[in-house]
Amino acid sequence: EQLVESGGGVVQPGGSLRLSCAASGFAFSRFNMHWVRQTPGKGLEWIAFIRWNGGDQYYADSVKGRFIFSRDNSKNTLYLHMNSLRADDTAVYYCAKDGNNFAFDVWGQGTMVTVSS
Amino acid sequence: QSALTQPPSASGSPGQSVTISCTGASSDVGGYEYVSWFQQYPGKAPKLMIYEVTKRPSGVPNRFSGSKSDNTASLTVSGLQAEDEANYYCSSYAGNNIWVFGGGTKLTVL
Repeated sequence: EQLVESGGGVVQPGGSLRLSCAASGFAFSRFNMHWVRQTPGKGLEWIAFIRWNGGDQYYADSVKGRFIFSRDNSKNTLYLHMNSLRADDTAVYYCAKDGNNFAFDVWGQGTMVTVSS
Repeated sequence: QSALTQPPSASGSPGQSVTISCTGASSDVGGYEYVSWFQQYPGKAPKLMIYEVTKRPSGVPNRFSGSKSDNTASLTVSGLQAEDEANYYCSSYAGNNIWVFGGGTKLTVL
């Protein structure tokens, strides 16, 4: 089971970025998925959830209204569209699989997003 | 969506046991049997060590155990080994498809 994130980089405040997460080695379309971020030198923060069929999404208050979580089960890929980015969005972003037990049982290696002018 | 509370640091000598606490509220830790623990080495992704309060994924040594009482969950590492030195994070389901993490505990093996 493997998750590989991509799309991170440096973006100016107010800008947008799209992260991707490619899944392999498991029945991707059967599992709910998450994004979790980690600010440099700090702790983990759950930011978004998407149901196995993409039917609904839930977000942490810190990103609600700015980030959109989607998935393409035909491509085994997750997407995180990040808009109106702020300096405090600077973090390593991880995608994680929900093992159908409300736990994050598989993690990607993370992709760094830096919001700076 | 308040973060769970963990001590910033913990330590123990090789062979000893150490327990890390994770305090939340009745709306998260106390309200669900969905507490998880993660081990993270610097620069690496977190690894699931405990789920559903007490269960260990395949491959996790039985030196790692979890428990919960009211709004506080705990991770105990028995028979400490040098390789256990890492950061540990708890998380809990908080209802309405929301999750919350603790601030993390740095475990030092003396």
